[in-house]
Amino acid sequence: KAGVTQTPRYLIKTRGQQVTLSCSPISGHRSVSWYQQTPGQGLQFLFEYFSETQRNKGNFPGRFSGRQFSNSRSEMNVSTLELGDSALYLCASSSGQGDYTQYFGPGTRLTVL
Amino acid sequence: DQQVKQNSPSLSVQEGRISILNCDYTNSMFDYFLWYKKYPAEGPTFLISISSIKDKNEDGRFTVFLNKSAKHLSLHIVPSQPGDSAVYFCAASALKGNEKLTFGTGTRLTIIP
Repeated sequence: KAGVTQTPRYLIKTRGQQVTLSCSPISGHRSVSWYQQTPGQGLQFLFEYFSETQRNKGNFPGRFSGRQFSNSRSEMNVSTLELGDSALYLCASSSGQGDYTQYFGPGTRLTVL
Repeated sequence: DQQVKQNSPSLSVQEGRISILNCDYTNSMFDYFLWYKKYPAEGPTFLISISSIKDKNEDGRFTVFLNKSAKHLSLHIVPSQPGDSAVYFCAASALKGNEKLTFGTGTRLTIIP
């Protein structure tokens, strides 16, 4: 089985812009979760989608949003970028039912200038 | 409030010996625990998990022990190999439809040849 894929791998944006990141889960997985990794805060949960519905949400401002499509692919959007949004954004997928192990993609490195 | 703690930021172990990584948690609702290995600028790689109904789980060179009364888990790697050098994260979740993982801050393991 192919693993979790994320595009793009690297992204450079300027303050005030918006960005969309994409994640394709492992085939058959219906749950997609997003995490932010920064040196200061570590790995933090953003949100989780299951069957096109946001099922769980972390403590991030409304500038961070996401969606999931009928094929389970997910996108994450960050609007009005701030310098502090520079981070590695990780997507993880799981079956969403029964097996709770999450498998991570390689991440998207976002740099905000 | 750090609900999952890895108190050792780094650990060095001789090749061939046992590596023991520790993790403590405070939230008694956590009932599923995972260990991930991570290289810089890559996504975490799943190693092993344990449900709170068990106190031990083995997979090859990796064994995870869970002490629920002490809210403590540990990962044993035997024998340690140079390729095991990475940052190790423990993560926890409270199941029942909750895919959110809470991560520890990580322990950098260095295997000395």
